[in-house]
Amino acid sequence: EVQLVESGGGLVQPGRSLRLSCAASGFTFDDYAMFWVRQAPGKGLEWVSGINFNSGIVGYADSAKGRFTIYRDNAKNSLYLQMNSLRTEDTALYYCVKGQYSSSWYFIFDFWGQGAQVTVSS
Amino acid sequence: QSALTQPASVSGSPGQSITISCTGSSSDVGGYNYVSWYQQVPGKAPKLLIYDVSDRPSGVSNRFSGSKSGNTASLTISGLQTEDEADYHCSSYSSSGSVVFGGGTKVTVL
Repeated sequence: EVQLVESGGGLVQPGRSLRLSCAASGFTFDDYAMFWVRQAPGKGLEWVSGINFNSGIVGYADSAKGRFTIYRDNAKNSLYLQMNSLRTEDTALYYCVKGQYSSSWYFIFDFWGQGAQVTVSS
Repeated sequence: QSALTQPASVSGSPGQSITISCTGSSSDVGGYNYVSWYQQVPGKAPKLLIYDVSDRPSGVSNRFSGSKSGNTASLTISGLQTEDEADYHCSSYSSSGSVVFGGGTKVTVL
């Protein structure tokens, strides 16, 4: 059974940093692209970032470019999102998501974690 | 404001069929056959229902079907059941090299 468990969320002041982690199990982690997708309260889904199976390709939404860094450790079956210079508009539930393929160019999100809440407020 | 436009809500009686639309542009929905649909039960994580416009992952009921015409994609739920009450989100590959989502549609079973 595929399991994705996020951690590292919390309350943080604007301008500060936070690192989200995602522990994956139940599938061959290094065969698949991974993504972060967020959902602000009462809003729709928003793609944040993606990384292909071997970290060779990464991509970011315009809202995340220059502030967020996605990376993975295939030896630890883990995905990360380093978030710097956080803004109030980054407040959302952040989902760790498995891609259907190894390439992060295919945005088919076939399994989702339960999410980590990030609240940016002074 | 989401890149793709979905109706805020759709409702139907048990056993009926309903259709949810997802309207974009030639830069996303109309330009590629890479539309996906996700079901999100309140308080739960989204679940993949449809990908590549009309393909269903293993285990997804055949009561869910997808289609596309021009810049508008559609999700049809046939034989509506109470368990289908949820939010439904569409997404599409975009010419910018990313993915865009709709704002979500709340389905109510009357």
